[in-house]
Parts: sequence; structure tokens; C-alpha cells
Amino acid sequence: QKEVEQNSGPLSVPEGAIASLNCTYSDRGSQSFFWYRQYSGKSPELIMSIYSNGDKEDGRFTAQLNKASQYVSLLIRDSQPSDSATYLCAVKGSGAGGTSYGKLTFGQGTILTVHP
Amino acid sequence: NAGVTQTPKFRILKIGQSMTLQCAQDMNHNYMYWYRQDPGMGLKLIYYSVGAGITDKGEVPNGYNVSRSTTEDFPLRLELAAPSQTSVYFCASGGSGLNEQYFGPGTRLTVT
Repeated sequence: QKEVEQNSGPLSVPEGAIASLNCTYSDRGSQSFFWYRQYSGKSPELIMSIYSNGDKEDGRFTAQLNKASQYVSLLIRDSQPSDSATYLCAVKGSGAGGTSYGKLTFGQGTILTVHP
Repeated sequence: NAGVTQTPKFRILKIGQSMTLQCAQDMNHNYMYWYRQDPGMGLKLIYYSVGAGITDKGEVPNGYNVSRSTTEDFPLRLELAAPSQTSVYFCASGGSGLNEQYFGPGTRLTVT
């Protein structure tokens, strides 16, 4: 059973702080990693994707990947109240015969609250 | 460009009834997926399709059926609805390259 685990929440940070969200995965052959943001009552929205080891920055968001440790994280700098949402980590595994057909395994999500 | 659309937005079913959740995408994506999300949980894959006429089971397929006659449409059929199928259902589509998935707005289903 391929698993994706996210750090337990909820996570509460003050406005302007850095929010750190963590995710570990069990399938060592995993190739692609995604972070989705989901506001209450809404659908998941893709905010970051990362495919190789290291950091990837997009505005206030930085995704970090360490395949050796099977760990992926999302940092949100200068957190805003509008960042308050559930953040879902998703992993594309290796699949049988090396083909996964884009299937993703999702973590259970971390609820982030940014308070003024 | 509407992206991924789903109908209906909400539905209440009685136990034993059947219904079809509709999903359509206009991004010419080959891959389409159906997920369910229970309160406080992540997303569980029900069925997926890699192209017209090709579908396969995901993690939680029992009680559901799918078909894919065109690239654009991927309906999900619930037969003999049960209370355990009360959930929010999301359809998603993605290309065969980077495998990024894009989600529809969801259908909130209650079975009583």
C-alpha cells in the first residue's frame, strides 16, 4: 500500500510568519510531487509541482524535495489570512511496470490557519 | 475555456436509488479521474481513464461504474446507493506529460 503522510495539524501561524508543511511518502520510485490548496467547500487547486531534488520557488511558495529521505515540504513565506486552507500533498508513484497513468496518492491534508 | 465541469452540484438520494454524476473537460486531456473525499480526509481514487474506451479501477471502486465514450466526458454511475457513498465527489483531468491534475468543482452527495 503506497502511503503519503502529512504532518498532523491543524497548524496555526501569525500573519507574516513562515508556514511549514511537511509530507513523507513510501514509494521510493515516486516521480512527481504536487501541493494542492483546498478552501473549505471548494475543490483542490494546484499551487506547486516539483519533479527533482532541491527547491522550487514560486512567489511566496517554496517546495522542497528530498528523494533520498522520501520527503517533500511546502514553505509559505509572509503568510496571509487568505492562505488559510487545507493543503494536500499528492505523489505520483512509479506504478506497475513503470506506468502510473498519472495516478496520484493524496495525503490526508494539513489545515493551516493564519491569524491576524 | 471552462476547464473541468461537474453536474449536479448537490444531490440527495434515497438508499437503493441510482444516479449518474456528469464530468466534462475541454482541455483535450487524455487522463481523467474520479475521487471521493470524506470529511477531514484526503482524496481516494475511484476510477480512472487513460483515453476514450479505456477505464480501470482505482482504490475504492466498489458500488461505482464508469464509461468513457469521448475524450471530453467521463460519467460516474452509482447503482443501489448506500449511506457509505455519502461524500463529495471530484472529477479531475490531466495530460500525459507532467501529470498535473485539474479538478472540477465537485458534487456533494447525501444518501439517506
